[in-house]
Amino acid sequence: AQSVTQPDIHITVSEGASLELRCNYSYGATPYLFWYVQSPGQGLQLLLKYFSGDTLVQGIKGFEAEFKRSQSSFNLRKPSVHWSDAAEYFCAVGPYNFNKFYFGSGTKLNVKP
Amino acid sequence: EAQVTQNPRYLITVTGKKLTVTCSQNMNHEYMSWYRQDPGLGLRQIYYSMNVEVTDKGDVPEGYKVSRKEKRNFPLILESPSPNQTSLYFCASSLTGQISNQPQHFGDGTRLSIL
Repeated sequence: AQSVTQPDIHITVSEGASLELRCNYSYGATPYLFWYVQSPGQGLQLLLKYFSGDTLVQGIKGFEAEFKRSQSSFNLRKPSVHWSDAAEYFCAVGPYNFNKFYFGSGTKLNVKP
Repeated sequence: EAQVTQNPRYLITVTGKKLTVTCSQNMNHEYMSWYRQDPGLGLRQIYYSMNVEVTDKGDVPEGYKVSRKEKRNFPLILESPSPNQTSLYFCASSLTGQISNQPQHFGDGTRLSIL
């Protein structure tokens, strides 16, 4: 069965520190992978996506993610976190035609001053 | 401004009283979808629509209905709401039903409480 696992429910990092949010997926076909961010009271905003090609993907707000097929992972990284990055982050996987789109359970990021 | 608009944003109602959550997009998108978000479960897809008059079940369709009579609107209908449908609901749309450079656009959410 298809699934997306985000093993960290909460993460706290200091402002200026680096960040890595983990995502593992189980998917029978070629995965199309996404990271979304949700600020409190808001809908989801796409940070970045991977379809094919270069396995290191650059997104908005200084985020990047690396697709590792051998590890079935798509971890999100940022070299220096800002207080405004505090939010909930969702990894998602979907097929080419967008049906049966699967989200992970989310990781809440807190940023310490 | 490109947007997905959901109404109402908040609703408290009682078991068994039919309700409709509307979703409208102004981007001429073909694809629309409904999700529910529950703590610890992330977002789960309820129904999606690839185009007008084309709808299909997502992962958790039980207790919900949808319709897509026109491109811009994709209402979510709860014929007989129950407390286990208390959740935060999101509507999303995308240019096409195929992966493209166009991302899914999400509405701001509708928080439903069924007593």
